Amino acid sequence: GESVGLHLPTLSVQEGDNSIINCAYSNSASDYFIWYKQESGKGPQFIIDIRSNMDKRQGQRVTVLLNKTVKHLSLQIAATQPGDSAVYFCAEVGSQGNLIFGKGTKLSVKP
Amino acid sequence: SAVISQKPSRDICQRGTSLTIQCQVDSQVTMMFWYRQQPGQSLTLIATANQGSEATYESGFVIDKFPISRPNLTFSTLTVSNMSPEDSSIYLCSDRDKGSYTFGSGTRLTVV
Repeated sequence: GESVGLHLPTLSVQEGDNSIINCAYSNSASDYFIWYKQESGKGPQFIIDIRSNMDKRQGQRVTVLLNKTVKHLSLQIAATQPGDSAVYFCAEVGSQGNLIFGKGTKLSVKP
Repeated sequence: SAVISQKPSRDICQRGTSLTIQCQVDSQVTMMFWYRQQPGQSLTLIATANQGSEATYESGFVIDKFPISRPNLTFSTLTVSNMSPEDSSIYLCSDRDKGSYTFGSGTRLTVV
């Protein structure tokens, strides 16, 4: 069946360093992926997305990389800030149009 | 993108009772969804709320336990029925419109 998972449940980085959060997906037919940030007590917030016809997409301080060969997705955050501390989820669009979420990675930024 | 107002934001309920969660979208949206997020875990889809017809439930979720309404393209409710402590979770609604997804802020439910 369809599933999306993450390699690491927690990630701790020093303020100013770059962060890399990884995600593996299983449905090779998936064509749209989204990264979300969820802060405590809030719903998921859109960070960046990528379609399967792309390998890389850049936003402000964030970059998403897609490797379709190994079904791997990553989110890179440049110059990580304390405000980046949150749980990050990758999500895949399912066959019904819903989102299928990975397990989540908790990012902690040390000052 | 659409803005979703979800309420209540939190509640503490007695076992055996029911709670209805409401989501109001500020524009007409194509699709609405309900998710459950158990403590420290990811989001799991409960059902797709269909406008004017019965919701489409995922495996493990049934209408008797989680009745859903969607009377129009801007509003949906999820009821958690006959609650037990195992239902303590965050419940979130989401919409999809023109390929974009938006989430409500969630309802943190504690059943005692």
